[in-house]
Amino acid sequence: DQQVKQNSPSLSVQEGRISILNCDYTNSMFDYFLWYKKYPAEGPTFLISISSIKDKNEDGRFTVFLNKSAKHLSLHIVPSQPGDSAVYFCAAMHQGAQKLVFGQGTRLTINP
Amino acid sequence: ETGVTQTPRHLVMGMTNKKSLKCEQHLGHNAMYWYKQSAKKPLELMFVYSLEERVENNSVPSRFSPECPNSSHLFLHLHTLQPEDSALYLCASSGLGAGANVLTFGAGSRLTVL
Repeated sequence: DQQVKQNSPSLSVQEGRISILNCDYTNSMFDYFLWYKKYPAEGPTFLISISSIKDKNEDGRFTVFLNKSAKHLSLHIVPSQPGDSAVYFCAAMHQGAQKLVFGQGTRLTINP
Repeated sequence: ETGVTQTPRHLVMGMTNKKSLKCEQHLGHNAMYWYKQSAKKPLELMFVYSLEERVENNSVPSRFSPECPNSSHLFLHLHTLQPEDSALYLCASSGLGAGANVLTFGAGSRLTVL
């Protein structure tokens, strides 16, 4: 049973436009959500997070939106840059459980 | 050295071999993790150590044996593996409590079982 799902394995976006990556979860106990970014031959690196008490968190070009009723979160990148090309993982946890559950990842390609 | 360091970066082994993966963190964290990443699958949590004590064993076969001698080092001992165990093995570390929310990952050890 996959508790965190990223249904789009890949996404291609023009440089300068908005990239929107989506993630759905099933476990209503999850109360903290994160996005990680992974380049080839490197480990995932933390990008941005959001607590369930918020519905939006913004950090520069990156904004994460959380819709608790739909159990859905999204990552917006605007404007998209070539260096944003990577695999993006959505992750969720119940705080204090020390168990981060990941989605399958979405490969984002930014075209010049 | 900074961050989380994993060695070796690449490992090829036969099914009868015994090998170990090593992870070292220089972040002063007190929790360490092993994750497995197979092609087209989510990262799967294997083991969690908190203050050198194993707190999570996610139904991992006994041919994978973790060891955490101190809060800075984590090993994954491998023996009699199967070809389907070929994957990228990622080590991570974190703080405790609220600090456990964000994991810092190593670059991974790419394992191929022949």
